[in-house]
Amino acid sequence: SYVLTQPPSVSVAPGKTASITCGGNNIGTKSVHWFQQRPGQAPVLVISYDSDRPSGIPERFSGSNSGNTATLTISRVEAGDEADYYCQVWESSSDLLYVFGTGTRVTVL
Amino acid sequence: QVQLVQSGAEVKKPGSSVKVSCKASGDTFNSYAISWVRQAPGQGLEWMGGIIPFFDTAHYAQKLQGRVTITADKSTKMAYMELSSLRSEDTAVYYCAILASGSAPFDPWGQGTLVTVSS
Repeated sequence: SYVLTQPPSVSVAPGKTASITCGGNNIGTKSVHWFQQRPGQAPVLVISYDSDRPSGIPERFSGSNSGNTATLTISRVEAGDEADYYCQVWESSSDLLYVFGTGTRVTVL
Repeated sequence: QVQLVQSGAEVKKPGSSVKVSCKASGDTFNSYAISWVRQAPGQGLEWMGGIIPFFDTAHYAQKLQGRVTITADKSTKMAYMELSSLRSEDTAVYYCAILASGSAPFDPWGQGTLVTVSS
């Protein structure tokens, strides 16, 4: 089955930039979505279709996707960005159909 | 804007079944698919399956095939996820979420339902 690999954790100082990678075989040919999950809350969509920002999501959140790596970038990081982040793709040839990345905990120092 | 409200927490014995409900608001229930995603304590997200209420067709993750049943009632705008032969590893928060199309993102999500399997 298709596997999406993320770094377990990323630490970043307030005001700096956090980059979260999502690695998968030829992921650049798929649409990647990103979710933010704060402790005890349901996931929230922050980036869709590689780089689209849903209404209400700050411009500080951006995404890119090419080759074997998709990336979520959070600019000017704030304390409220501390959360778990998951990438996700639709993989029609997989028995799972919808695959989530392993998740990355972003810690704001 | 569609909103999803799920049923409350459940405690179940190993070997039993649980049925979690998800009520959709708004007029678009028949336009979308509803998927179920679970998250074990301290773990990541796992897609379980989904249903297109308009066609009443469901798809399941192969891992759970035979134990999970997803249904929908168009008249009440309710979706259900039933998981049978429960084991301790099924202890998790279960979420329902809207899926507008095959490659679309899950958005929005329900608030989650904690299911605890314990003897």
